[in-house]
Amino acid sequence: SQTIHQWPATLVQPVGSPLSLECTVEGTSNPNLYWYRQAAGRGLQLLFYSVGIGQISSEVPQNLSASRPQDRQFILSSKKLLLSDSGFYLCAWSAGRGYTDTQYFGPGTRLTVL
Amino acid sequence: KQEVTQIPAALSVPEGENLVLNCSFTDSAIYNLQWFRQDPGKGLTSLLLIQSSQREQTSGRLNASLDKSSGRSTLYIAASQPGDSATYLCAVRPFGSGYSTLTFGKGTMLLVSP
Repeated sequence: SQTIHQWPATLVQPVGSPLSLECTVEGTSNPNLYWYRQAAGRGLQLLFYSVGIGQISSEVPQNLSASRPQDRQFILSSKKLLLSDSGFYLCAWSAGRGYTDTQYFGPGTRLTVL
Repeated sequence: KQEVTQIPAALSVPEGENLVLNCSFTDSAIYNLQWFRQDPGKGLTSLLLIQSSQREQTSGRLNASLDKSSGRSTLYIAASQPGDSATYLCAVRPFGSGYSTLTFGKGTMLLVSP
C-alpha cells in the first residue's frame, strides 16, 4: 500500500530564516506530487505540483520554491521566511490516471513564523 | 476563475441527526468533484469522488450528489455520530486544469455532540 510522509510535523521559525519541508511517498512510482498551504480563514491553496523529477509548476508567485530531486521526494523551500508564510502545509500525491485521479494527502506540517 | 463556496461554515448537531452540507462552484466546466474530511491538525482524507457525468455517489452513511448545470453539490450524512466531527471540504477539478489540480472550498466545520 502507498504511504506519504511529511516532516517535520511542527516548525517554529523566525522571520528571515530559511525553510525546508520534506515529503516522501512510498509504494508507488512516478506519482504526481503537490504542495498546498492552508492558512487560517482561507481555503487550501495549491502552491506547486510536479509530474516528474525536476519538473515543477508554480501556481502562486511567492518567496517559496519547490524541488523534486528524486521520483518520490518533494521539497518545499524558502531562503527567507515572511510572517505571511505561517500556515499548515500539506503534501499530496496522485497516480495521474485521467479523470478519476484522486489525491492522497500527507499528515501536514504546521509552520509558525514569528 | 473557478470559485468554490461552502455553506454553512460551521454546523453543530446532536447525535443521530441527518444533515446536509452544501458546496457551490461558479464554473460548471469541471471533470469531477470530491468531498474530503479533515480532522483537526491532520491531513485530508478523500470521502467521495463524483465524475461530471454522474449524479451521485454513496459510501456507507454518506451520499454526495452533483448538479453540474447549477454548480451545486451536497454531502448527506445519515444518522450522524460524534466520530463524524471534522471539517468537510469540497473540491472541483476544472476543465483545462493541469494534472489533477483541484480548487477547494474553505470547508464546513461539523460538530456532532453525544
